[in-house]
Amino acid sequence: DAKTTQPPSMDCAEGRAANLPCNHSTISGNEYVYWYRQIHSQGPQYIIHGLKNNETNEMASLIITEDRKSSTLILPHATLRDTAVYYCIVRGGSGTYKYIFGTGTRLKVLA
Amino acid sequence: GAVVSQHPSRVICKSGTSVKIECRSLDFQATTMFWYRQFPKKSLMLMATSNEGSKATYEQGVEKDKFLINHASLTLSTLTVTSAHPEDSSFYICSARFTGGAKNIQYFGAGTRLSVL
Repeated sequence: DAKTTQPPSMDCAEGRAANLPCNHSTISGNEYVYWYRQIHSQGPQYIIHGLKNNETNEMASLIITEDRKSSTLILPHATLRDTAVYYCIVRGGSGTYKYIFGTGTRLKVLA
Repeated sequence: GAVVSQHPSRVICKSGTSVKIECRSLDFQATTMFWYRQFPKKSLMLMATSNEGSKATYEQGVEKDKFLINHASLTLSTLTVTSAHPEDSSFYICSARFTGGAKNIQYFGAGTRLSVL
């Protein structure tokens, strides 16, 4: 599976957009990008996923570059409850279904 | 939808005893479930892939005799930590692979915090 690289930590002001980057330069053509977040002492929560097109749901938007080597998760109006560790995961579309978690980005939303 | 329940949420046991953790997919069937372990301030580490009706696949370095996994039905996988010792104390998290609709999204349980005295 492709390896992902994320900044270890970021701060964001409450009400502002939080943009969390992820590099996955070794991604292959059929690998999806998944984003999860983990709030302290809980299991990871699914946020969004994509293959090549940009995606949006009620939680966030996912922007994937044209070469698919990086992506950005956007939380449009961050709240204090968005403080969490955010994980970007890339895995194959067939065969093994396992996720390999990287170190993630610790996002702190500031009041 | 796509809810995964994990039980118990917290367990404290004496050294040498065995502990069973259950992972249930409540509103979907999961042929594949996963077990992870997480140490404080660290990322999740995949321990094993649990396949319904067949043997689990363990990641390198994970003792299969220490961490017994059973996936007897399409909605239940169990992890048994046998002869637990203090070094087995950790946060254990399960996930279930959802195959309906979107591509192979894993939904996670809330985790089990194991403390071995």
